[in-house]
Amino acid sequence: SQQGEEDPQALSIQEGENATMNCSYKTSINNLQWYRQNSGRGLVHLILIRSNEREKHSGRLRVTLDTSKKSSSLLITASRAADTASYFCATLRRTYKYIFGTGTRLKVLA
Amino acid sequence: DVKVTQSSRYLVKRTGEKVFLECVQDMDHENMFWYRQDPGLGLRLIYFSYDVKMKEKGDIPEGYSVSREKKERFSLILESASTNQTSMYLCASSFWQGDEQFFGPGTRLTVL
Repeated sequence: SQQGEEDPQALSIQEGENATMNCSYKTSINNLQWYRQNSGRGLVHLILIRSNEREKHSGRLRVTLDTSKKSSSLLITASRAADTASYFCATLRRTYKYIFGTGTRLKVLA
Repeated sequence: DVKVTQSSRYLVKRTGEKVFLECVQDMDHENMFWYRQDPGLGLRLIYFSYDVKMKEKGDIPEGYSVSREKKERFSLILESASTNQTSMYLCASSFWQGDEQFFGPGTRLTVL
């Protein structure tokens, strides 16, 4: 079964707006990572947040982690057309296997 | 720049053929992974390797095998391809278990 579930499945916003995506998971994790995938290509790592961290920033990206709710959110501020992609969360289980969610498809309209 | 390459971007094979998908990384990473990606199912781990000649099953290993004879190369083998193995195959590597993964561009395999 899929551990990471992203929400929403698809999101369409105007350039300059903020985009928020959520990820829920079911079991204890070591860390949670967010990846971006441009259409038909490989994934690119965006940010990693450890289980003992609550918030992390990287440029226009802000990730939060709430282990009590087993959820994480990815905020992209001041979005650009180039941010159009699918975004995946990946959780690392104790067995050191990653579980990826089904992704959120973000479309940023110019 | 770190680099993970995969032998083919697109591949078309017939049912029953033996298929080799090759992945090479130039980062001296210990860990390498094979995933398949299907619409609505996300990425699912097939096999991973944490050292040369070492391998561990992922979540969906049935119908696949792997080989890692050298640190930089991790091969995925479909012993007898079937139509339900039509998918996008993604290879990844990481320095240590739990670290960020670097992905190759993917191989879109079609089995007719």
